[in-house]
Amino acid sequence: GQQVMQIPQYQHVQEGEDFTTYCNSSTTLSNIQWYKQRPGGHPVFLIQLVKSGEVKKQKRLTFQFGEAKKNSSLHITATQTTDVGTYFCITGGGNKLTFGTGTQLKVEL
Amino acid sequence: DGGITQSPKYLFRKEGQNVTLSCEQNLNHDAMYWYRQDPGQGLRLIYYSQIVNDFQKGDIAEGYSVSREKKESFPLTVTSAQKNPTAFYLCASATSGGHTDTQYFGPGTRLTVL
Repeated sequence: GQQVMQIPQYQHVQEGEDFTTYCNSSTTLSNIQWYKQRPGGHPVFLIQLVKSGEVKKQKRLTFQFGEAKKNSSLHITATQTTDVGTYFCITGGGNKLTFGTGTQLKVEL
Repeated sequence: DGGITQSPKYLFRKEGQNVTLSCEQNLNHDAMYWYRQDPGQGLRLIYYSQIVNDFQKGDIAEGYSVSREKKESFPLTVTSAQKNPTAFYLCASATSGGHTDTQYFGPGTRLTVL
């Protein structure tokens, strides 16, 4: 089945620094969704990318889908303490979903 | 107030007991899912239902059972056959389960086996 590698597993940053997490696949992906899960909370949908080379922005968050649709990234500019949590990607649909293992972000003052 | 709810939030179970976790949604979604999340790991699919009275096993269905008698409800039973049931259980729903559907997650149930 499809496999998605997500890196890094953990990231500690100082407030104000940038942060990037990547989801990489050896096969072409139909789509990719990004979710955020706060500590002790449940995942919340952030964005979906479908088109090759697609770039979407949400305030300080920038999402990219690679030209070959085999990788995706989530970049946060100037992190804040409210950005703390685990960010993970999902691809596929129905019972053919593949999950990234998540990147746990910690932001220190 | 639309959304997806799970109960209870915390659940303690003795070994050898079956327990049922509740999941209800009023979003009129056809598809519903159960996931298990262990510390430091990604989500793993337990069961998936795309329509009432139909459901499919996910990657880790052994020791679990579900029913989908109503569109709004998708309860999960953790049976005594599940060898390591202590985990965080998340229920989700989606419009139709297609590959572009957004998943809406419930708040989760933390199950601890004593």
